[in-house]
Amino acid sequence: GESVGLHLPTLSVQEGDNSIINCAYSNSASDYFIWYKQESGKGPQFIIDIRSNMDKRQGQRVTVLLNKTVKHLSLQIAATQPGDSAVYFCAEPRQNFVFGPGTRLSVLP
Amino acid sequence: GAGVSQSPSNKVTEKGKDVELRCDPISGHTALYWYRQSLGQGLEFLIYFQGNSAPDKSGLPSDRFSAERTGGSVSTLTIQRTQQEDSAVYLCASSRDVETQYFGPGTRLLVL
Repeated sequence: GESVGLHLPTLSVQEGDNSIINCAYSNSASDYFIWYKQESGKGPQFIIDIRSNMDKRQGQRVTVLLNKTVKHLSLQIAATQPGDSAVYFCAEPRQNFVFGPGTRLSVLP
Repeated sequence: GAGVSQSPSNKVTEKGKDVELRCDPISGHTALYWYRQSLGQGLEFLIYFQGNSAPDKSGLPSDRFSAERTGGSVSTLTIQRTQQEDSAVYLCASSRDVETQYFGPGTRLLVL
């Protein structure tokens, strides 16, 4: 299951660099995933989704990669900007309602 | 268009009092979810409504917590005899299907 109660993993990147945020899932039947972004004091916002028939999906400055073999997905943010500072969650909305603690991304000037 | 709205945005109450939190989902969304988020932690599922089906209450932490959804739209989460450990952000989300959930801004509850 998900590990709630642990300290938030953190990632610090320099402004302009690329960011990679990782997420592991346990259910091999999972076929749909979403990445959410949660800024301080706000609710989570949808960023991008991917279905299991795809390995990669690109949005505006974001790319999600799905590796079904190792049950891992990643969110890549190109040219990270200060406005990208937030907590990022991955979710499997069809399998369960559990969200992990997320990863806190801090963008350094 | 209007997103999910929640009220109040902040609530301070005394231990032992009851509180009601309101959620207005996006019009036309049949699914509605309540989550709790403690400081620095992930989302904890509380309850899920889908259309006219019986709600999934499997996440409610105790019988002090209840929720209802009137007319398939607005939902109210009620916490009776609040405890300090109930202090958290309560998030509501709605969706047209069981996929993308759109979240409200949350209600920050502080129990003194």
